Amino acid sequence: DTAVSQTPKYLVTQMGNDKSIKCEQNLGHDTMYWYKQDSKKFLKIMFSYNNKELIINETVPNRFSPKSPDKAHLNLHINSLELGDSAVYFCASGGTDTQYFGPGTRLTVL
Amino acid sequence: AQSVTQLGSHVSVSEGALVLLRCNYSSSVPPYLFWYVQYPNQGLQLLLKYTSAATLVKGINGFEAEFKKSETSFHLTKPSAHMSDAAEYFCAVSAPGTSGNTGKLIFGQGTTLQVKP
Repeated sequence: DTAVSQTPKYLVTQMGNDKSIKCEQNLGHDTMYWYKQDSKKFLKIMFSYNNKELIINETVPNRFSPKSPDKAHLNLHINSLELGDSAVYFCASGGTDTQYFGPGTRLTVL
Repeated sequence: AQSVTQLGSHVSVSEGALVLLRCNYSSSVPPYLFWYVQYPNQGLQLLLKYTSAATLVKGINGFEAEFKKSETSFHLTKPSAHMSDAAEYFCAVSAPGTSGNTGKLIFGQGTTLQVKP
């Protein structure tokens, strides 16, 4: 069983479109995260939810909106996609002493 | 605030040689420290972690790291490199003692490990 799964794995789209990435974890954790890895492989936290409540919102454009329908799912919706949004987006779940990462979603905006 | 610096964006070793990947951290509270490995086109896999227990931490695939508070370091080592160790390695810090801590990880810039036959 995959602990943290993301769909889709690859996403290619045009500027201006709206897209969503889904994440699910079966580890029973209360906390889930979204991280962004840029073209230089730098990883940065974007959001965190704890039991469906938003607890971290880093300085991310409001075109990005996370949604957590339940504590096992954390989705990321992006409006009006821009070229600079091209990156790999990782979902993670866990807590202060361990986080487990999903396989990533490579988003390419043309 | 927390930060992580990985010295050397690219490290090259011969197969069988010692691997040493350097990580220095800054934290206003006692930190938790982690090493993750990322193979090409894959997610991040936890290699090992320090969470205030033993300062010498052993991880998977023969890797270990030592927490040195006086040097604010958490360097990753492996006695003998294998070709399969070639990957990107990330050091990360979280601050469990801070108010409202949520476990967010602050990552270093990453180090690419190349293993030559």
